[in-house]
Amino acid sequence: QQQVKQSPQSLIVQKGGISIINCAYENTAFDYFPWYQQFPGKGPALLIAIRPDVSEKKEGRFTISFNKSAKQFSLHIMDSQPGDSATYFCAASALTGGGNKLTFGTGTQLKVEL
Amino acid sequence: GAGVSQSPRYKVTKRGQDVALRCDPISGHVSLYWYRQALGQGPEFLTYFNYEAQQDKSGLPNDRFSAERPEGSISTLTIQRTEQRDSAMYRCASSFGRNNEQFFGPGTRLTVL
Repeated sequence: QQQVKQSPQSLIVQKGGISIINCAYENTAFDYFPWYQQFPGKGPALLIAIRPDVSEKKEGRFTISFNKSAKQFSLHIMDSQPGDSATYFCAASALTGGGNKLTFGTGTQLKVEL
Repeated sequence: GAGVSQSPRYKVTKRGQDVALRCDPISGHVSLYWYRQALGQGPEFLTYFNYEAQQDKSGLPNDRFSAERPEGSISTLTIQRTEQRDSAMYRCASSFGRNNEQFFGPGTRLTVL
């Protein structure tokens, strides 16, 4: 059972454009929602994360929007750059329940073209 | 210091053989996680340790899979009697505490022939 659904599977954006990746979750016990960036041959690296007590978090060009009632969250990359080309994974875990066992989405391959 | 390291980076084995995958976490990190990542998929949780105690092994697929972290630092994931379906990237992650950011290693690519 896939507990975190991610879309789109792939995304092509022009340089300077906005990249938007969406995720939906089912488990209401989830209370931590990170986004990971993965380059080829490397392990995933934490990009930005949000807790459900806020609806939005911004760090530089990266913003997470969170909708608790809809059980959805999204990553927005503003002014997308070719260096942002990577695979992005959303994830979720239930920190309150103990541990940080991450459940990942299936990933989005982002390509930013010049 | 250095990040999470894993060895070997690549492992090719024949069906039925046992394999041991090693993870060396970031120094001082209390929590250590093992994930398995199939091609084109996100990492899938296997098991996790706090210090030397295995806190959760709910993600281990079957009893051929086991993990240990005897001194609370280096961890070994062992797969006995490997099968072709075990072929995947095995990733280790560590964190300062159980609720802190997880840092992932480069992974071990396991291929079972």
